[in-house]
Amino acid sequence: DVKVTQSSRYLVKRTGEKVFLECVQDMDHENMFWYRQDPGLGLRLIYFSYDVKMKEKGDIPEGYSVSREKKERFSLILESASTNQTSMYLCASSGRAGGGYNEQFFGPGTRLTVL
Amino acid sequence: AQTVTQSQPEMSVQEAETVTLSCTYDTSENNYYLFWYKQPPSRQMILVIRQEAYKQQNATENRFSVNFQKAAKSFSLKISDSQLGDTAMYFCAFTNYNQGGKLIFGQGTELSVKP
Repeated sequence: DVKVTQSSRYLVKRTGEKVFLECVQDMDHENMFWYRQDPGLGLRLIYFSYDVKMKEKGDIPEGYSVSREKKERFSLILESASTNQTSMYLCASSGRAGGGYNEQFFGPGTRLTVL
Repeated sequence: AQTVTQSQPEMSVQEAETVTLSCTYDTSENNYYLFWYKQPPSRQMILVIRQEAYKQQNATENRFSVNFQKAAKSFSLKISDSQLGDTAMYFCAFTNYNQGGKLIFGQGTELSVKP
């Protein structure tokens, strides 16, 4: 079974705090993704990574950064949390597409509340 | 830019009946993939069904089938013999061959199956 795990299901932080969301996959996947999910907006891509130490901006990278020091781990960092970053955060991973498509496997999500 | 639109925020269906969820998309690409993902309450997102644009035959997976109309850029999901376990948020998603597996999601449709 493919497994994508996220460090917390629920998280409450205060405005201005630095927040780390961790994601780990156990399938040796090259690609990893961070999305945020908001009602009425679906999932929007924040950042993605095709390889270790590599990162690319998605559609809404402002206010976020990422780190991928090991193949299995992809971290999302909120440098200074703000209330408009209250959301559900989903991590996903997939194998290298190679001209086709490999299914993305999702973690359970982290519901972050910023007070 | 590619976009995916789901115009039905909520739908309901009686158990054992059939329901169709709508999705339209916009792209200038000719080679792409379309997907339906299911997110049950408090559970992980899973892939339900996918369709390669070059295939004319509509994809089916057990009780789930799609109606892919390439010229109309329409991709609807039909669920036959609805079961209580089908209650979930359903997302339509798109990727093209050049996006390295990045997905663009619609807004989601919340489906309730009633006993």
